[in-house]
Amino acid sequence: QKEVEQDPGPLSVPEGAIVSLNCTYSNSAFQYFMWYRQYSRKGPELLMYTYSSGNKEDGRFTAQVDKSSKYISLFIRDSQPSDSATYLCAMSASGNNRLAFGKGNQVVVIP
Amino acid sequence: GAVVSQHPSWVICKSGTSVKIECRSLDFQATTMFWYRQFPKQSLMLMATSNEGSKATYEQGVEKDKFLINHASLTLSTLTVTSAHPEDSSFYICSASGLGNSNQPQHFGDGTRLSIL
Repeated sequence: QKEVEQDPGPLSVPEGAIVSLNCTYSNSAFQYFMWYRQYSRKGPELLMYTYSSGNKEDGRFTAQVDKSSKYISLFIRDSQPSDSATYLCAMSASGNNRLAFGKGNQVVVIP
Repeated sequence: GAVVSQHPSWVICKSGTSVKIECRSLDFQATTMFWYRQFPKQSLMLMATSNEGSKATYEQGVEKDKFLINHASLTLSTLTVTSAHPEDSSFYICSASGLGNSNQPQHFGDGTRLSIL
């Protein structure tokens, strides 16, 4: 079983829809959870960074962490064509900056 | 804030050439820098972790004599691909994390596309 599971299947949504992405993980030591956005031929850009369980909101983006279920989510409200990118979940254990990544989700927002 | 600059963004060179890639943290001090390799439509594969002033720690299967990493200051790390061959062609990305009592997130550069002819 991989440490982090993320369904890589491409996701196409119409402009204005809510995009829902999620990852599951197996390592209960993970305490820090991140979502990165990666445009084609660019490096990943940090979108959300959360510690332990709970919700965090930043503009149109909401990150949720449920440590009891080992499940994290990212929601994008009012999606825009500029949100079309690959979204990577990542996580790390306390005291260890090494990241475990999901495979990434390609999102296409159709105008 | 938290800007990481990577240079060059694209390099094409002949087989046997050595290529140096620079990674700089522009507005923060990076105690740790990471080097990744990414193949098309795949996630990032960690190659090595470097801490300022000490030797890099390489992942299993990564040749340290092939991929030389130097982290001489808190704002600069370099990756040198020595005697590059076509199979070394890939997208190389660096990241940096700063000082702090808790885990600091990694901030990534924009990557270097390396093509070896």
